[in-house]
Amino acid sequence: DTEVTQTPKHLVMGMTNKKSLKCEQHMGHRAMYWYKQKAKKPPELMFVYSYEKLSINESVPSRFSPECPNSSLLNLHLHALQPEDSALYLCASSQDYTSGGYEQYFGPGTRLTVT
Amino acid sequence: ILNVEQSPQSLHVQEGDSTNFTCSFPSSNFYALHWYRWETAKSPEALFVMTLNGDEKKKGRISATLNTKEGYSYLYIKGSQPEDSATYLCAFNMYSGGGADGLTFGKGTHLIIQP
Repeated sequence: DTEVTQTPKHLVMGMTNKKSLKCEQHMGHRAMYWYKQKAKKPPELMFVYSYEKLSINESVPSRFSPECPNSSLLNLHLHALQPEDSALYLCASSQDYTSGGYEQYFGPGTRLTVT
Repeated sequence: ILNVEQSPQSLHVQEGDSTNFTCSFPSSNFYALHWYRWETAKSPEALFVMTLNGDEKKKGRISATLNTKEGYSYLYIKGSQPEDSATYLCAFNMYSGGGADGLTFGKGTHLIIQP
């Protein structure tokens, strides 16, 4: 199974809502990533988890809160978002993180709209 | 801020023709260079990960080369087919401390194959 799954596919939320994005992989990968992609721009790295520990936080606002409950699951908790946070949120995993030579497997993304 | 540049931004190619495009990246602190193919409504799919200067990789009709000293990589597609239509992203891993930093993506080359 080389699939990374993400739920939900689409999410519309108000600025006062709390919601969560979920990502799952069963490839035994020990690194998982969250990226944000705005229209006509490249994916931008938000967070990296390595062996279930947060390794990189690219100065992401605290209204985004990642969580890695186990090696297969990665969540992104959302609270008090702004309309400019509307984007495609991609999850990815790779065999390892500290060694950059491993390809990343991406999920299909969650299309988030903040109203 | 790392600069990963891809050119051209978009490309129209006749079916059966061969084509190539470029990714340029910082030549210092190089760790790895990734190429991904991203078709509309699908997940980005890894094509190649290259780590050594002079690396050449091939997958079917697609191949890539790497020059870490001058900071560029070429992606070649031989005998383009309609199914090659996609956005091709390159991504750069910088060496940071004991290992790789997170991926920095270029904006991509949007390839359209015309029958």
